[in-house]
Parts: sequence; C-alpha cells; structure tokens
Amino acid sequence: DIQMTQSPSAMSASVGDRVTITCRASQGISNYLSWFQQKPGKVPKRLIYAASSLQSGVPSRFSGSGSGTEFTLTISSLQPEDFATYYCLQLNSYPLTFGQGTKVEIK
Amino acid sequence: EVQLVESGGGLVQPGGSLRLSCAASGFTFSDHYMDWVRQAPGKGLEWVGRTRNKANSYTTEYAASVKGRFTISRDDSRNSLYLQMNSLKTEDTAVYYCAKITQGGIDCWGQGTLVTVSS
Repeated sequence: DIQMTQSPSAMSASVGDRVTITCRASQGISNYLSWFQQKPGKVPKRLIYAASSLQSGVPSRFSGSGSGTEFTLTISSLQPEDFATYYCLQLNSYPLTFGQGTKVEIK
Repeated sequence: EVQLVESGGGLVQPGGSLRLSCAASGFTFSDHYMDWVRQAPGKGLEWVGRTRNKANSYTTEYAASVKGRFTISRDDSRNSLYLQMNSLKTEDTAVYYCAKITQGGIDCWGQGTLVTVSS
C-alpha cells in the first residue's frame, strides 16, 4: 500500500499568512493526487485534483504542485474561512490512501 | 445539482450486519464509478472501497480492513449505491460517506450516515 505522510499535522497561522502543506508518498504516484478541505461537522470539499488543477469554484488563493512523491498545497493569503483540516488523497493505486490530515488553526 | 443522500446508519452490536444506501441524483449515475469513504469520530478519512460502472463490469475494490466483510453494490435502475457490512467490529464505528468519481477522482460527497458498533 502507498503511505501518504502529511506535514505538519497541525499549524497555527494568521489571516494573510502564506501557508504550505506537504504530502509525501511512499512511492511514486505521478500526479494522481487530490487535496480536500474539511471544516468541523462538514463534508470534505475537493480543492485540487491531478495535483495542480483547481476545482471549479475554489478561490485562486489555493494552489497545488508536485509530481512523483512530493506534493504541496499552498494558500497564498489565509482567510478566516480557510481554518480547517486539509487532507491529501492518492489515486494512483488501490487501496486509495489519505494523508493523516493537517489542521490549520488561528494564531 | 448533484445530490448524494446516505441512509441506513444506526447502532449495531459487534458481529452484526447493516446495509447502507446512497441515493444519487443530478447526474447520470450509471456512467460513474462510486466510492465509500468513512471517518471515525475525531479521526481522519479512510477509503473503504469502490464500484466501477457497467462498462467496467461493476468490478469492485476494497480496503484491506473491510475486505471479506463489506460488499459494495449498485442498482443503476434506482440510481442507488449500497454498502453491505457484515461481521461488524467496534473499529468500524464511523460516519460513512458515498462519493462520486470523475476523471480526477472523488469530486462530490454525500452528507454521511453514522454507524455505531457497540454492545
């Protein structure tokens, strides 16, 4: 199975900060990676697919990059509504596997 | 508008069975692969399994943690997805989501249904 390791597990940031979350795959997954945002008590929402493609309707401050084993999700200027938990998901091979999540909290 | 509505969750004893349903609308259900994903209370997301579409013979994939106990099926005539869960364990306690698959993977989730396995 492919293991997805996210870092950090949690972070504190301020509104306006640039935030970067990393996801590392235990083996190469090309660009078969998605990023999701989940707010407490809510359903996950896809932000990025195919590693760098922005989901329709998602603000352009979100971006994704990477290929192979290392991927990043960047929020260029953190907004109050962005405080949430973020997950990566590899779709390269079965079983599909999520990262453990990164909780972004208010500093 | 795409809608996925799960039902069938509840309290079940260890060793018991439960069948979850997911009613789909707003898209051509029969064209799409569909997944089940779960989330234990206060924990992260865990992929449970997938059913492919008719063109791909409705074949299925499962996580190791549920293989042999859970079965995913679908009824395209009813636009419905199912998850039959047998031999339930306390660690199966979670919110279960159905999810629609597109070219880029999971793109839409239902609201989820809570399954609690406890004596």
